Amino acid sequence: DAGVTQSPTHLIKTRGQQVTLRCSPISGHKSVSWYQQVLGQGPQFIFQYYEKEERGRGNFPDRFSARQFPNYSSELNVNALLLGDSALYLCASSLVGGETQYFGPGTRLLVL
Amino acid sequence: DQQVKQNSPSLSVQEGRISILNCDYTNSMFDYFLWYKKYPAEGPTFLISISSIKDKNEDGRFTVFLNKSAKHLSLHIVPSQPGDSAVYFCAAMALLYAAGNKLTFGGGTRVLVKP
Repeated sequence: DAGVTQSPTHLIKTRGQQVTLRCSPISGHKSVSWYQQVLGQGPQFIFQYYEKEERGRGNFPDRFSARQFPNYSSELNVNALLLGDSALYLCASSLVGGETQYFGPGTRLLVL
Repeated sequence: DQQVKQNSPSLSVQEGRISILNCDYTNSMFDYFLWYKKYPAEGPTFLISISSIKDKNEDGRFTVFLNKSAKHLSLHIVPSQPGDSAVYFCAAMALLYAAGNKLTFGGGTRVLVKP
C-alpha cells in the first residue's frame, strides 16, 4: 500500500510569492496534519484537518492556510513568503481518533 | 517554551551495544508518546509508542520506558545496528485536547552506530 505522498519534493520561491503544497494520505486515513521542520529543530504543528474541517491550528500566522478535499487529500497554502518560511513541510495522516501519525517524505521549500 | 526536550543532541554507540535515548516533557496533559526515526531527505518514520497507562512497551529491538512522575521517557535500542544511524525524535500528544491529535516534538537526537 502507498504511504503518504507529497508534491512537489522541492520548491524554490522568492519573497512575497505564494506557494501551494499537496498531500495525499494513506488509503483509509481521513485525518491530515501539517508540520513545519526548520533545520536543526523538531517538526512544529501547523494544522490538522479531518472531515474537511480544521480541527487544530498551531502558532502560525494567517499567511498559512489549508484545506481538505472530499477524497481526504489536502493542500497547504502560504502567502507573502518570508525568508524564514524556508523549511521542510511535512504532511502526516492518521485514522480519525487514531493516535499514530504517519509522515510523508516532505516538501523542501527554499525562499530566496 | 519547549514542552518536549531531548537534551542530548547526539549519541555515538558501538554496533551491538545498547543505545539509550532520553526525552523529558513538562505538560502533564500529555498522555501518549511516540518515537520517530528520520533519515536525511525522508520524512519521519514511526518506531514505537506508549500510552500513559503503561510504563513499558517493547517491539523487537526497541523498548520505550515511561516514568510519569518524572515526566521522562527513554528509548532503548538493543542491539544497535549501523542502519539505526539517524535522527530520533520524541513526540507527545494530549488525546483529550480539543485541538485534535497534535504532536509536540523534541529537538531530536542524532545517533551514530559505529561498525
